[in-house]
Amino acid sequence: GEDVEQSLFLSVREGDSSVINCTYTDSSSTYLYWYKQEPGAGLQLLTYIFSNMDMKQDQRLTVLLNKKDKHLSLRIADTQTGDSAIYFCAERLNMRFGAGTRLTVKP
Amino acid sequence: EPEVTQTPSHQVTQMGQEVILRCVPISNHLYFYWYRQILGQKVEFLVSFYNNEISEKSEIFDDQFSVERPDGSNFTLKIRSTKLEDSAMYFCASTGGGARTGELFFGEGSRLTVL
Repeated sequence: GEDVEQSLFLSVREGDSSVINCTYTDSSSTYLYWYKQEPGAGLQLLTYIFSNMDMKQDQRLTVLLNKKDKHLSLRIADTQTGDSAIYFCAERLNMRFGAGTRLTVKP
Repeated sequence: EPEVTQTPSHQVTQMGQEVILRCVPISNHLYFYWYRQILGQKVEFLVSFYNNEISEKSEIFDDQFSVERPDGSNFTLKIRSTKLEDSAMYFCASTGGGARTGELFFGEGSRLTVL
């Protein structure tokens, strides 16, 4: 069946880059999304990439897509304490989410 | 900016009681969804709804759950007889694009606590 996998935790120092990885199984997904969830809050769409792209950059965010390996990553440059949150990747075809990666940014 | 709104933000109920969670999707959207997130766990798909009927549902969405669009604006999730394990955050989402391609807009969620 369709599945989306992510590592559960990532800890970085303020100012470093963060890389959050995700793998998915359904190769026919049209869009792949990254959502951010702060404590007690809803899901905020951060960015997305269309399946015919391999990279998308949006300010401090870079999304890389390796369609052959069904691997998606989100890089946050110059990570700030305000970036501490849970990050979910999701594939649009069936709109399934990964378990979320909890990013902790240490000052 | 248009947004999906959900009420209540938090509801506490006794086991066995019925609960209705309400959502107002973005006005020109056509596809509606409910998701559930048990505390600390992943976001799980429950059901999608289009043209006044369920288009897809997960194995979680059993007979105790139902959805309805009672008027032109609200989209509701009813849990008939709540169980302790129904305690979760419930998210509503809508899209105006294609069922499998449009961006999903999420509400802030309704937290359900079953005692």
